[in-house]
Amino acid sequence: EPEVTQTPSHQVTQMGQEVILRCVPISNHLYFYWYRQILGQKVEFLVSFYNNEISEKSEIFDDQFSVERPDGSNFTLKIRSTKLEDSAMYFCASSPDRGTAYGYTFGSGTRLTVV
Amino acid sequence: KQEVTQIPAALSVPEGENLVLNCSFTDSAIYNLQWFRQDPGKGLTSLLLIQSSQREQTSGRLNASLDKSSGRSTLYIAASQPGDSATYLCAVPGGATNKLIFGTGTLLAVQP
Repeated sequence: EPEVTQTPSHQVTQMGQEVILRCVPISNHLYFYWYRQILGQKVEFLVSFYNNEISEKSEIFDDQFSVERPDGSNFTLKIRSTKLEDSAMYFCASSPDRGTAYGYTFGSGTRLTVV
Repeated sequence: KQEVTQIPAALSVPEGENLVLNCSFTDSAIYNLQWFRQDPGKGLTSLLLIQSSQREQTSGRLNASLDKSSGRSTLYIAASQPGDSATYLCAVPGGATNKLIFGTGTLLAVQP
């Protein structure tokens, strides 16, 4: 069964450093999303991406965040200057149809620890 | 604004019991509802996707029901096993891009 692949599985970074989280969505999917889950809290939407541009973003997704699909297969989330409160599990998801008929497939996540 | 609630927050049952997890949502104008499983520190595994036109969806020992008009879904797990121990999340699409809106989850522990 096709999978969404995320790397790395765990990243530790110092406060103020830039990090790039990587995702390879399912190849025929067109809609891409990033979510995050702070330990013990709900899974929260960050951003959706379609046709090489951001379709929707949440209040969390401020200027320190950016997304990119640089080469037609990878989908990246960049955090420019990490803060302690960015420590969370980050999930990438994709869908062929904005989730209407086929739902969403999630990756296994990247655990980001900011120290 | 769509809100999703799950009860109970935690549930502990002996092996072999049948159990029901509940999910409620405030806006009934949804395309579908998706149930996920999350093991500790791990990703989200899709269990069942139930469309708004369906009332039930089954996969093995799992059965999900959906009552759009009342804003409720249930996940029924038959003959529970210790391997079913995990957090179960429900989510509905909403907003301009059908982003998923998640409940807080039910932490299930099945005791051998």
